[in-house]
Amino acid sequence: NAGVTQTPKFQVLKTGQSMTLQCAQDMNHEYMSWYRQDPGMGLRLIHYSVGAGITDQGEVPNGYNVSRSTTEDFPLRLLSAAPSQTSVYFCASSYPESGEQFFGPGTRLTVL
Amino acid sequence: GDSVTQMEGPVTLSEEAFLTINCTYTATGYPSLFWYVQYPGEGLQLLLKATKADDKGSNKGFEATYRKETTSFHLEKGSVQVSDSAVYFCALSKNGATNKLIFGTGTLLAVQP
Repeated sequence: NAGVTQTPKFQVLKTGQSMTLQCAQDMNHEYMSWYRQDPGMGLRLIHYSVGAGITDQGEVPNGYNVSRSTTEDFPLRLLSAAPSQTSVYFCASSYPESGEQFFGPGTRLTVL
Repeated sequence: GDSVTQMEGPVTLSEEAFLTINCTYTATGYPSLFWYVQYPGEGLQLLLKATKADDKGSNKGFEATYRKETTSFHLEKGSVQVSDSAVYFCALSKNGATNKLIFGTGTLLAVQP
């Protein structure tokens, strides 16, 4: 049982490049979420999903797209990276109303 | 809107000292409250939770009580260890929406031997 996995662990992009952060979970959780963590700001919700085929925006969705074609996978796409997207990105999953989110190890992204 | 405020760090303590990290929240209705811990280089892990007023969450010697009258959920531990050094996040969720946590800014705890 790997839990929540994220790839890559580190990534450096140039302004304007695109990329996809991968997230997968093997716990059959319905709920999945993406957060970004910035110094002095805690974690902020980017996008979330309550099941395959259903996604919605969180607090800071601009510049990011998501899709949820399977229960297991929830990729986060940056279409045109900007320096303001330099951050650590965490994926998380949970059962509805379970009271606990399980977090992946994070992806540290730097946009130059 | 809903929000969580926690004390700024870093908090530096000697081993076996008493720990308190303050957390207050603003939310309508009856949120669930959580403390998550992030060890260096890792993702967040749930430390404890409370889902209704006067509930006490506890785990690994840490405790926090859901106080609705003061809208607080302060984290305490009687005797900290070096291994407790980490960043601690207070968080809330509404209506069972465990995929939509609202986090505080985090408090770095450094425990010295």
